[in-house]
Amino acid sequence: QMQLVESGGGVAQPGRSLRLSCAASGFIFSSYGMYWVRQAPGKGLEWVALISYDGSTTYYADSVKGRFSSSRDNSKNTLFLQMNSLRAEDTAVYYCAKSWGGNSYVMDVWGQGTTVTVSS
Amino acid sequence: DIQMTQSPSSLSAVVEDRVTIACRASRSIKSYLSWYQQKPGKAPQLLIYAASSLQTGVPSRFSGSGSGTDFTLTISSLQPEDFATYYCQQTYSTPLTFGGGTKVEIK
Repeated sequence: QMQLVESGGGVAQPGRSLRLSCAASGFIFSSYGMYWVRQAPGKGLEWVALISYDGSTTYYADSVKGRFSSSRDNSKNTLFLQMNSLRAEDTAVYYCAKSWGGNSYVMDVWGQGTTVTVSS
Repeated sequence: DIQMTQSPSSLSAVVEDRVTIACRASRSIKSYLSWYQQKPGKAPQLLIYAASSLQTGVPSRFSGSGSGTDFTLTISSLQPEDFATYYCQQTYSTPLTFGGGTKVEIK
């Protein structure tokens, strides 16, 4: 079955960096766009980034633009989110999600999430 | 950016109730709307895409309707496993945006 497993979360001080990973299995990873979505404690869902199936195109939320960068290694079925210049407001559970297909922005498979805490 | 507004933010209901959740977009998104269900401590799960298409495996008591700016998620007969938070998401354009969520609680 299709599965996404995030890792790399933890505690970081403001201004520092973290790199999240998302390991995919059960589908042809290289054929699908992928997303990062986050959820601050007790809050709703916020889209963070999307990357095209081949990694050639990326889009970011204004709240992370210039600080976060998404990439992928299709040979290893892995998605990444490089988070630099972290702020307290980046504290959240970070989910990766798979695109439903085509030019759709529908997220049909989600990982279990990894928690990022930014605190001094 | 397209703003998504859900109402109500929470509701109380009993098993077998008919529940309706509304979602409004700040401008037309045609039928580019998805609905997700999220249970506490779990990842969201896709229920509905393209405003009214049921995701594979989702029970038929869930349905979606609407187009343009106004959309509705309906649960025809609420079951115990349906107590959760529901989010709409516009899939029309970036930045992708979600509604604030509707928490369905037990009365």
